Amino acid sequence: NAGVTQTPKFQVLKTGQSMTLQCAQDMNHNSMYWYRQDPGMGLRLIYYSASEGTTDKGEVPNGYNVSRLNKREFSLRLESAAPSQTSVYFCASSEKTHRSGYTFGSGTRLTVV
Amino acid sequence: AQKVTQAQTEISVVEKEDVTLDCVYETRDTTYYLFWYKQPPSGELVFLIRRNSFDEQNEISGRYSWNFQKSTSSFNFTITASQVVDSAVYFCALRMDSSYKLIFGSGTRLLVRP
Repeated sequence: NAGVTQTPKFQVLKTGQSMTLQCAQDMNHNSMYWYRQDPGMGLRLIYYSASEGTTDKGEVPNGYNVSRLNKREFSLRLESAAPSQTSVYFCASSEKTHRSGYTFGSGTRLTVV
Repeated sequence: AQKVTQAQTEISVVEKEDVTLDCVYETRDTTYYLFWYKQPPSGELVFLIRRNSFDEQNEISGRYSWNFQKSTSSFNFTITASQVVDSAVYFCALRMDSSYKLIFGSGTRLLVRP
């Protein structure tokens, strides 16, 4: 019962470097999400994918791109990392019905120096 | 606009005390869902409860209870006889029936001291 799997768990990047955060879920959920968590600000939505083949911007999309590779996988890419992107990133998935909550991955702690 | 406010940034209690975490939400939708999540020091987010806007019945699960009041747009969470293992950050969240997005409050850090 893996649920939502995120890789890597930790990453340190230099300013300007690029990287992709990977996320996969095995619950056959239609919708997937990327959030970032910063101290005192709760979780903020970066991008989401309501269903396979669609992606939409969330509250803080600047500096990020996403790909919904298939129903299971939803990746987040930082093309040119900035110190302001230092954060903990969570991937989540949910059933299509709006009443359902999210299942979260364990998070990726990213530091940009 | 939709918003979730958790005004208590940090709460510190002694073990066995009761503690209530406040959550106030804003939405114009008539159908919506409220959630509480727990984030222990290990960092993962653990789902605790979901409530829909048509069900104002309070719920109790062991030492946990939730008080949903539409009249005051509040969905408060009480831990009875707190334990050290309850130490965590607790998030309240809102999801409208018209949206896929889950909107989080800023969280309340609870410290339960032995």
